[in-house]
Amino acid sequence: ETGVTQSPTHLIKTRGQQVTLRCSSQSGHNTVSWYQQALGQGPQFIFQYYREEENGRGNFPPRFSGLQFPNYSSELNVNALELDDSALYLCASSPEPGLGETQYFGPGTRLLVL
Amino acid sequence: TQLLEQSPQFLSIQEGENLTVYCNSSSVFSSLQWYRQEPGEGPVLLVTVVTGGEVKKLKRLTFQFGDARKDSSLHITAAQTGDTGLYLCAGARQAGTALIFGKGTTLSVSS
Repeated sequence: ETGVTQSPTHLIKTRGQQVTLRCSSQSGHNTVSWYQQALGQGPQFIFQYYREEENGRGNFPPRFSGLQFPNYSSELNVNALELDDSALYLCASSPEPGLGETQYFGPGTRLLVL
Repeated sequence: TQLLEQSPQFLSIQEGENLTVYCNSSSVFSSLQWYRQEPGEGPVLLVTVVTGGEVKKLKRLTFQFGDARKDSSLHITAAQTGDTGLYLCAGARQAGTALIFGKGTTLSVSS
């Protein structure tokens, strides 16, 4: 068991709305990464946070933003939702920074945008 | 263009059969990882390979990293129904850079 939890498990939104997804990392893990996994695809890196600062970003627009808190929790915020944002959103924590390090994934939040 | 190509995309076999799935790229990677993802779950790391030519074994699973560090394979001996899942390879172009995932191979093992 990885110890990484995410909430909610499922979410339905309409186009143009905003959404906040939450992640609780394993205790002691200072690094959290967020990924988007569309149906039939592998996860795509969105960004990584280390000690509450962004530590790298993938090819996602600024309407995807994040926050990391001192208590090992973090958030992914998406503004102005588009239909193509429908996907499984995964967070992954790791004890060390460095984007290629071993990561422990949560079960994901499945977002559907109508 | 997919940086990491996985093949086959789908594989359906009987329990007890052997299989190999592949992860190929035209680019060099500093390391490659293999994950298994089951429905409703996040990916779970199986192995990390970092040295060209490296072979790692995990019970019935054998992982190989190509000599040029551009490709990798996963071989499963005597597949079991519990091996069913999505197998993902992921690589880091350089240490400290983001993981790039392939699209995965969906394996179905029936009894």
